[in-house]
Amino acid sequence: QSALTQPPSASGSPGQSVTISCTGTSSDVGGYNYVSWYQQHPGKAPKLMIYEVSKRPSGVPDRFSGSKSGNTASLTVSGLQAEDEADYYCNSYAGSNNFVFGTGTKVTVL
Amino acid sequence: QVQLVQSGAEVTKPGASVKVSCKASAYTFTRYAMHWVRQAPGQRLEWMGWINVDNGDTKYSQKFHGRVTITRDTSASIAYMDLSSLISEDTAVYYCARGGPGQSCDFWGQGTLVTVSS
Repeated sequence: QSALTQPPSASGSPGQSVTISCTGTSSDVGGYNYVSWYQQHPGKAPKLMIYEVSKRPSGVPDRFSGSKSGNTASLTVSGLQAEDEADYYCNSYAGSNNFVFGTGTKVTVL
Repeated sequence: QVQLVQSGAEVTKPGASVKVSCKASAYTFTRYAMHWVRQAPGQRLEWMGWINVDNGDTKYSQKFHGRVTITRDTSASIAYMDLSSLISEDTAVYYCARGGPGQSCDFWGQGTLVTVSS
């Protein structure tokens, strides 16, 4: 199972929006609405930000939103804040009880 | 609140095995699956496998198939990940993560650094 493809980096100024893509295949991202997104600060464990493509767990700000079109999922962070600077990873169910993570994107707040 | 507390850092030699534990608290252990994910230094997250904690069924990533074994002790609310035939490239932080809504991982352990070095 190959990793999902994410851009290595993305950036924006405070208050702006940034969108991160996550491209897979019809066997993973395109085949199921089980895409989740994780935020990871340096030296910390990942934190769930989005599940089932676009749902937010309790406590996650509504500045974080998710969507999917075909084999590509996206995470948008609106109204960027300094604390949003982190690595972000997508994950997709890939059938037969398998899962796959993305390559990761480093978001920088300028 | 839900907590997953993992065992401490390990230093081990090539060819050996390592077993990492993950103790769950503040929820019904058997109602949720448990995933194991690793992250080599400076690298991406990598899914290793998961266990249906209720019935013990497991599924492993093809990459680790044959080297990884995930088990659980329901009486103690502990999940285990055993990785054998270690090589230097297995040096990584290993995380347990609870299976959450929509096939996500909603709570994570603090991570366990495993260093493989001769």
